[in-house]
Amino acid sequence: DTGVSQDPRHKITKRGQNVTFRCDPISEHNRLYWYRQTLGQGPEFLTYFQNEAQLEKSRLLSDRFSAERPKGSFSTLEIQRTEQGDSAMYLCASSSRGVSYEQYFGPGTRLTVT
Amino acid sequence: AQTVTQSQPEMSVQEAETVTLSCTYDTSESDYYLFWYKQPPSRQMILVIRQEAYKQQNATENRFSVNFQKAAKSFSLKISDSQLGDAAMYFCAYRSANNDMRFGAGTRLTVKP
Repeated sequence: DTGVSQDPRHKITKRGQNVTFRCDPISEHNRLYWYRQTLGQGPEFLTYFQNEAQLEKSRLLSDRFSAERPKGSFSTLEIQRTEQGDSAMYLCASSSRGVSYEQYFGPGTRLTVT
Repeated sequence: AQTVTQSQPEMSVQEAETVTLSCTYDTSESDYYLFWYKQPPSRQMILVIRQEAYKQQNATENRFSVNFQKAAKSFSLKISDSQLGDAAMYFCAYRSANNDMRFGAGTRLTVKP
């Protein structure tokens, strides 16, 4: 399977704990995006990388959130001191520098904070 | 900031019939891309169709076509010969030239056999 993969698919954690999610993009894609999707809503942009550089961050990305893409390949999204409001699906997408920069999505990581 | 509005939270269509999903957007830019994504239940989001704003011709992909009205900032999706497998959430998305991507709230499509 050469699509975007995410790990884990589901995560249940207690409030106050830290969690880390991983995304592996399509291998030839140099752009990687993180989104958050709550129930019944469309994805909301969090941040994106071009190679290893983090080029844009949404105001939704509070200081408890940090993302990295150390070698321009996989990326991690860490949430520190989780809150119940962080419960959501976290989606990763990747794209190449093609004409339309189509984004290909992974299956997501569903986070539940209890 | 760009916004995307999908005014139909739910739509229903009979199998083999045609359905149109609506989307409007707000932007001051002239160069952008528009997309329709499909998200089946518990499955990942996949691209259905895309439209470049500079193209006047409406995009078509098999049973899926769009009606792009740039002046009206409207971008509707028509699904012809609906199939049971078309049942999903459909999201309209706008991507600006600086790669900022915005999604609508989605339309849940039900296909009745």
